[in-house]
Amino acid sequence: AQSVTQPDIHITVSEGASLELRCNYSYGATPYLFWYVQSPGQGLQLLLKYFSGDTLVQGIKGFEAEFKRSQSSFNLRKPSVHWSDAAEYFCAVGVLVAGTALIFGKGTTLSVSS
Amino acid sequence: EPEVTQTPSHQVTQMGQEVILRCVPISNHLYFYWYRQILGQKVEFLVSFYNNEISEKSEIFDDQFSVERPDGSNFTLKIRSTKLEDSAMYFCASSHDGTLSSYNEQFFGPGTRLTVL
Repeated sequence: AQSVTQPDIHITVSEGASLELRCNYSYGATPYLFWYVQSPGQGLQLLLKYFSGDTLVQGIKGFEAEFKRSQSSFNLRKPSVHWSDAAEYFCAVGVLVAGTALIFGKGTTLSVSS
Repeated sequence: EPEVTQTPSHQVTQMGQEVILRCVPISNHLYFYWYRQILGQKVEFLVSFYNNEISEKSEIFDDQFSVERPDGSNFTLKIRSTKLEDSAMYFCASSHDGTLSSYNEQFFGPGTRLTVL
């Protein structure tokens, strides 16, 4: 069965430091992968997505993610974190059923220290 | 920028009561979804809805749950007789179509926090 694992529940990064959030997936077919961000009181916002092609995907807010099929991973990165990046981050895999359900990981909470 | 809205932001109810969670999807979207997140758990798919009928539902979406598009703009989730374990954040989402096209995206609302006492 398809699943997504985000091994880190909570990460704290200093402002200006680099960031990597880990995501591993389990899915039998070609995965469609997503990263969403949720700020307090807000809905889930799509940061980036991978469907095919270039394994390095650029997203909004300076984020990127790299798809590595051999490691079943889709880690999210940002070279320099800003205080406004503090939020909860969710990795998800898209499942091609009628209506395309998204299967989410548990999320990683990012705190940014000054 | 168009967005998905949800009301109320927080709902408190007694066990056994019926609740209706409301969502207004983006106006030109055709597919609608409900997800939930129990505190400390992952976001879980409940149901997708298209053309006034359920397209897909998860095993969580049992007979206690129902969805409806009552008036062409609202999309509702009804829980007939709430249980303690229904306490969760419920997210509504909508998308223009139901494919995983690189041009498609599910837009999420801010969620309704349901607390069952």
